[in-house]
Amino acid sequence: DAGVIQSPRHEVTEMGQEVTLRCKPISGHDYLFWYRQTMMRGLELLIYFNNNVPIDDSGMPEDRFSAKMPNASFSTLKIQPSEPRDSAVYFCASSSAGPGHNQPQHFGDGTRLSIL
Amino acid sequence: GDSVTQMEGPVTLSEEAFLTINCTYTATGYPSLFWYVQYPGEGLQLLLKATKADDKGSNKGFEATYRKETTSFHLEKGSVQVSDSAVYFCALSSGSARQLTFGSGTQLTVLP
Repeated sequence: DAGVIQSPRHEVTEMGQEVTLRCKPISGHDYLFWYRQTMMRGLELLIYFNNNVPIDDSGMPEDRFSAKMPNASFSTLKIQPSEPRDSAVYFCASSSAGPGHNQPQHFGDGTRLSIL
Repeated sequence: GDSVTQMEGPVTLSEEAFLTINCTYTATGYPSLFWYVQYPGEGLQLLLKATKADDKGSNKGFEATYRKETTSFHLEKGSVQVSDSAVYFCALSSGSARQLTFGSGTQLTVLP
């Protein structure tokens, strides 16, 4: 079975440029999560969606960050304009809508973003 | 709010040594508890989980028991291998929330 697919795997760009990260969740999963991982701050939840609707975006650091989920099989995280402090590994994860809160999340391999 | 406190790393062990990584939590209600593992250059993978008190999760020789009285979910393995070298994350989810609360991660290195 295909897992969560993220692209690109690596992105290097200059400060001020727009960056778009992409994610394809596991088919049939109703929840999609975007995380950021850095050495200093660890793993941070940025935003999550349920049935393509954003539920909690309180982790989005500032207005330069935006996320969309136009359909059940695709989501984007956009940074515009990008800054060096945005350099991190960005993960997408998805989970099913099973009973209760015990459904595990399945992670993609991440996008390593470097802003010069 | 919910929180997870994990044993500080890094942890370095010799092959076949016994492993314990401590994890304690604070949560409202009755959370589900998880251990995830992250190998270099990869995303997090679910290692094991437990959904109620006294449950024991196990996978690949790793075990963890949900201890409500001590609010703990310590990860153990009787004999580690070099291939177990990775970062290990303890996490919880509680109530109707779907998001996970993660610990800070513990880097494990196993030497041959």
